[in-house]
Amino acid sequence: DAVMTQSPLSLPVTLGQAASISCRSSQSVVHSNGDTNLNWFHQRPGQSPRRLIYRVSQRYSGVPDRFSGSGSGTDFTLKISRVEAEDVGVYYCMQGAGWPWTFGQGTKVEIK
Amino acid sequence: QVQLVESGGGVVQPGRSLRLSCVVSGFTFSTYGMHWVRQAPGKGLEWVAVIWNDGSERYYVESVKGRFTISRDNSKDTVYLQMNSLRAEDTAVYYCARWGFYGDIDSWGQGTLVTVSS
Repeated sequence: DAVMTQSPLSLPVTLGQAASISCRSSQSVVHSNGDTNLNWFHQRPGQSPRRLIYRVSQRYSGVPDRFSGSGSGTDFTLKISRVEAEDVGVYYCMQGAGWPWTFGQGTKVEIK
Repeated sequence: QVQLVESGGGVVQPGRSLRLSCVVSGFTFSTYGMHWVRQAPGKGLEWVAVIWNDGSERYYVESVKGRFTISRDNSKDTVYLQMNSLRAEDTAVYYCARWGFYGDIDSWGQGTLVTVSS
């Protein structure tokens, strides 16, 4: 199984400042069809997760452009260019390349 | 709009069974594979099971193999999770989720809480 390791696990940030979360996989997350199926989700307290990024860097419709994803192979990053109050919560990476799909442990973003 | 509504959660004793349901609306159910993902209290997300859009294939996380069964009824726009031989460690909020077209999960339900306790 692909083990997804996120860092840091806790990220205090100042409003308006940038934030960066790392996600590393224990094995390739390239699907047999050639796509790199690395996804990011955001979960606010008391809410269901919501989609942010698919295929490493593609933002879903409605996701602010301050969110960006990058990376390749086994090393990926989610960046928030200017953190806003609504961005607090836990961020998860997930690989969808092989069964079982697996999530990172989550990174808790909070405002300093 | 896309909606996924789970039900069937509750308190159950260890070793007993429970069946979760997820009714969807706002999209053509038979076109999409469906997942169950769970989250233990205060913990992270854990993928549990998936079923193909036509029910032809299913996969499970190792910890539930042989105990949980995912199924679907495309005539009722519903996906199920039959959970047998429940254990304390199965205590979690269970989310129904839609398999997107990009190796992703693109929609989530609100979740239903399952508590396994004597």
